[in-house]
Amino acid sequence: GAVVSQHPSWVICKSGTSVKIECRSLDFQATTMFWYRQFPKQSLMLMATSNEGSKATYEQGVEKDKFLINHASLTLSTLTVTSAHPEDSSFYICSARGEQGDSPLHFGNGTRLTVT
Amino acid sequence: QKEVEQNSGPLSVPEGAIASLNCTYSDRGSQSFFWYRQYSGKSPELIMFIYSNGDKEDGRFTAQLNKASQYVSLLIRDSQPSDSATYLCAVNWGFGNEKLTFGTGTRLTIIP
Repeated sequence: GAVVSQHPSWVICKSGTSVKIECRSLDFQATTMFWYRQFPKQSLMLMATSNEGSKATYEQGVEKDKFLINHASLTLSTLTVTSAHPEDSSFYICSARGEQGDSPLHFGNGTRLTVT
Repeated sequence: QKEVEQNSGPLSVPEGAIASLNCTYSDRGSQSFFWYRQYSGKSPELIMFIYSNGDKEDGRFTAQLNKASQYVSLLIRDSQPSDSATYLCAVNWGFGNEKLTFGTGTRLTIIP
């Protein structure tokens, strides 16, 4: 159980364009999902907490107007990287907790974004 | 600032031996602790989680938590080449607080 699916697994885009990444909880409902970013040889850094039906909560230093998060349903959250630049190239990973109160986080397979 | 520290490695262990991975954390009030395995280019995969002091065993894996000393460890018995990966320690600062803070990970290599 607690399968999280992320799409696409990789994407290449030109500088200045926008990219949307989808995160779905396949076999459970997730009122909260989390978006992480991981640069090469570094650890995961939490970008924002996505809350179903309300605005996302962004971590300090993360531009909310650049990284748009929409959590329109209990099984889907999307992250849109707007006006992407080469420095946005990274591994983006979403995660969600299972429905039980003490469930640990489960991660999607990640999206490798390359901005040229 | 809440921190999670891990030795980046690489840690090399002969096949069949016990691999020991350590993690320390800064906030004494931390409540829950997780070990994730991450293969190169892949997303983290949950190995174990532990909430209470002591040992928790699951197959070849044992997580050990010592809240007084603020460390958590992961032991891998009968190490296999497929265990070669980066192991991430993650800490949740409180029950109901869902934000995980990750260490930088320890790269483990099992030598056949």
